[in-house]
Amino acid sequence: AQSVTQLGSHVSVSEGALVLLRCNYSSSVPPYLFWYVQYPNQGLLLLLKYTTGATLVKGINGFEAEFKKSETSFHLTKPSAHMSDAAEYFCAVSNGSGGSNYKLTFGKGTLLTVNP
Amino acid sequence: EAGVVQSPRYKIIEKKQPVAFWCNPISGHNTLYWYLQNLGQGPELLIRYENEEAVDDSQLPKDRFSAERLKGVDSTLKIQPAELGDSAVYLCASSLGRIGDTQYFGPGTRLTVL
Repeated sequence: AQSVTQLGSHVSVSEGALVLLRCNYSSSVPPYLFWYVQYPNQGLLLLLKYTTGATLVKGINGFEAEFKKSETSFHLTKPSAHMSDAAEYFCAVSNGSGGSNYKLTFGKGTLLTVNP
Repeated sequence: EAGVVQSPRYKIIEKKQPVAFWCNPISGHNTLYWYLQNLGQGPELLIRYENEEAVDDSQLPKDRFSAERLKGVDSTLKIQPAELGDSAVYLCASSLGRIGDTQYFGPGTRLTVL
């Protein structure tokens, strides 16, 4: 079974400050890991994903995340927050070794607010 | 390239009424997903199709929910009869279906059951 824990349902930062959104996962097999963003009344948009290879993954809009197997973490960061980054962020995991590998298990989300 | 299209975007119905949601996936995507997103929660998979075949419907409440994907393209998700607890956002997504492929989401249908 897979699960995702996002620490902090709400994170507030100032414009220009570092953004750090935390994600820890549980998986009995090698995971594939994803970060999605959701703006109000819209669907989810992929920010970045880790499947294999380099553990530091760069995504759109200046975001990046690092897969740390020993810590079972996949935290999302951005050096400098913009007002347009305000949204809900979801971390997700899928089975990377076969079987029900298409099923995404999502965390509960973290709402990011950016203060001027 | 057009994204995943869903309609309607919003639907308000009375309890015990039927309701249907429609999804048109990205052209060429053979895998289609329906997710349920409750307020303040992440999406949860209801059903996954590979072409016309429902290959994972273990989370679909089959007493009132049904889905179909005729000709392996568009899909319809139906609830009959709707209950108050069905109020949520219903998201459709599609992908090429290979391991690790990105799932592309539509804007969702927000259902309110009164």
